[in-house]
Amino acid sequence: AQSVSQHNHHVILSEAASLELGCNYSYGGTVNLFWYVQYPGQHLQLLLKYFSGDPLVKGIKGFEAEFIKSKFSFNLRKPSVQWSDTAEYFCAVIKYGQGGKLIFGQGTELSVKP
Amino acid sequence: NAGVTQTPKFRVLKTGQSMTLLCAQDMNHEYMYWYRQDPGMGLRLIHYSVGEGTTAKGEVPDGYNVSRLKKQNFLLGLESAAPSQTSVYFCASSTSGSTSYEQYFGPGTRLTVT
Repeated sequence: AQSVSQHNHHVILSEAASLELGCNYSYGGTVNLFWYVQYPGQHLQLLLKYFSGDPLVKGIKGFEAEFIKSKFSFNLRKPSVQWSDTAEYFCAVIKYGQGGKLIFGQGTELSVKP
Repeated sequence: NAGVTQTPKFRVLKTGQSMTLLCAQDMNHEYMYWYRQDPGMGLRLIHYSVGEGTTAKGEVPDGYNVSRLKKQNFLLGLESAAPSQTSVYFCASSTSGSTSYEQYFGPGTRLTVT
């Protein structure tokens, strides 16, 4: 079945550590890719998105993601995390022409220790 | 500009009761979506709408119905609630068009069915 996989369910880091969260999808063809963040008790907010062009995408709050088409991956990175980055992170994919239906990964909970 | 709002924020139902969740958006978006969020499963699409008067099934539509009588509103109904429908429900909206699939999310409704 077509899906989106996030390999890390819970990641614990100390402040200033580097972060990389994995995301793989199984759709062929053209896709649009997103990372959303959900801070505790809040709704989802868009971190960054990839539609076309430069596969290295920069988002808000110092996050970036790299689209590697050959690996069907869209990993999220941040060089130095802060306590305020504690949240749940969701990767999501829209297959082109699918009427905007987002398919989400299972989510990765990030805990940053001060 | 309130974005996407949801009513109510919390609700407790007994098995077999019915209820309607209201989603409203003031961004003139064509597309609207209902998701449920369960631990370890990410967000799953229940139903969606690509315009006023049109609805379609998503990934997990059973036990839910929807209506989109006005462009700005998208209602999610539970005719006979079951404990398996205990979840957090999120509404989202987006513009139409192949390059504008960013979805804007509401704050969520936490539903408990006892």
